[in-house]
Amino acid sequence: GENVEQHPSTLSVQEGDSAVIKCTYSDSASNYFPWYKQELGKRPQLIIDIRSNVGEKKDQRIAVTLNKTAKHFSLHITETQPEDSAVYFCAASRGGSNYKLTFGKGTLLTVNP
Amino acid sequence: ETGVTQTPRHLVMGMTNKKSLKCEQHLGHNAMYWYKQSAKKPLELMFVYNFKEQTENNSVPSRFSPECPNSSHLFLHLHTLQPEDSALYLCASSPESGRKGTDTQYFGPGTRLTVL
Repeated sequence: GENVEQHPSTLSVQEGDSAVIKCTYSDSASNYFPWYKQELGKRPQLIIDIRSNVGEKKDQRIAVTLNKTAKHFSLHITETQPEDSAVYFCAASRGGSNYKLTFGKGTLLTVNP
Repeated sequence: ETGVTQTPRHLVMGMTNKKSLKCEQHLGHNAMYWYKQSAKKPLELMFVYNFKEQTENNSVPSRFSPECPNSSHLFLHLHTLQPEDSALYLCASSPESGRKGTDTQYFGPGTRLTVL
């Protein structure tokens, strides 16, 4: 089955800096890669996703890049703000007839003011 | 925030109790999921229902019993649980499971379960 590794497990940055979280996956058939943000005591919320037919996707300060050859994808947050502090989870899925999302262990991002 | 709701939000139960968790989605979705979230572990998929039919049981112990009476409601019946079952149980829904482009999942707030 799919295995998703996520690094780092914790990340601390200064407000205004950029943050990068990386994930690798094992199943070369995976083609859907969402990122979820979970604030303390709240539900995971989808912040951005990418499918295998694109290499990069941006949404304001958030971007995701995908390298299918190397089987890794990354979340980039620019101009970080204290409200970006949360746990971020990456996930991978084959989509199509196999809908199972396999999640990484999460990254605790702390943005210091 | 009201798209997927879960009750109760917190539950404390003994190992001999029987309780049920409830999930309801107001998004018109056809697929619903149960996940277990434990500290320092990835989100673990437990069950998937697609158009009320169970399509995935991820080797979950029989002390967890799901029920999906319709596409909007999902239950997780609990009995004779163990302390290691203490975790956050999250429900999610998606427009449809197994169809490309419709697999984005939306989560409920979770039920924090403590088994004594």
